Amino acid sequence: GAVVSQHPSRVICKSGTSVKIECRSLDFQATTMFWYRQFPKKSLMLMATSNEGSKATYEQGVEKDKFLINHASLTLSTLTVTSAHPEDSSFYICSARDGALNTEAFFGQGTRLTVV
Amino acid sequence: SQQGEEDPQALSIQEGENATMNCSYKTSINNLQWYRQNSGRGLVHLILIRSNEREKHSGRLRVTLDTSKKSSSLLITASRAADTASYFCATVPNSGYALNFGKGTSLLVTP
Repeated sequence: GAVVSQHPSRVICKSGTSVKIECRSLDFQATTMFWYRQFPKKSLMLMATSNEGSKATYEQGVEKDKFLINHASLTLSTLTVTSAHPEDSSFYICSARDGALNTEAFFGQGTRLTVV
Repeated sequence: SQQGEEDPQALSIQEGENATMNCSYKTSINNLQWYRQNSGRGLVHLILIRSNEREKHSGRLRVTLDTSKKSSSLLITASRAADTASYFCATVPNSGYALNFGKGTSLLVTP
């Protein structure tokens, strides 16, 4: 199947700094990518839908100025957590589809963010 | 937004037994998908069932879908210790594109 690569897999940063997470579709073009957040032993919460060449669509309650999403090419979307706080510590996962609605989604390996 | 609700939240069985997980959802869907997640890792797609399908098989996996009850089940037959993971159902609504995940079932298979 298609491959989605997410980097870094783990990052520790200090409060107040910004962290960028990359999500790449390696063997297909993804006009749309999705960013999820997962708390320990919890489900995945959709944060935003990233659209190539246009603004991301954020879910209710997700601060777009805090979680900056850029989808500048058909194979790369980035999520930047700005002015990180300890409560931003979480597991962030991206996904993309190589096709229409009724196709499977491919997920990155996830990024474990720890803000100290 | 969260839509699916998995049941049970946790399941512990022995190798060789069958594991059944259920998922309910609230809105009309285009399709429903099941994913597996090992601890601290990304998700792996297991199977997709379309809204006009009632049952689907893939190896030791059997998925059913009842759109009238807005529910689905995942059956893993002859379980193995390597099946230990969290299992999530995810729906794709007719009106949207993103996957909406349920809360997941944590499966433990002991040798």
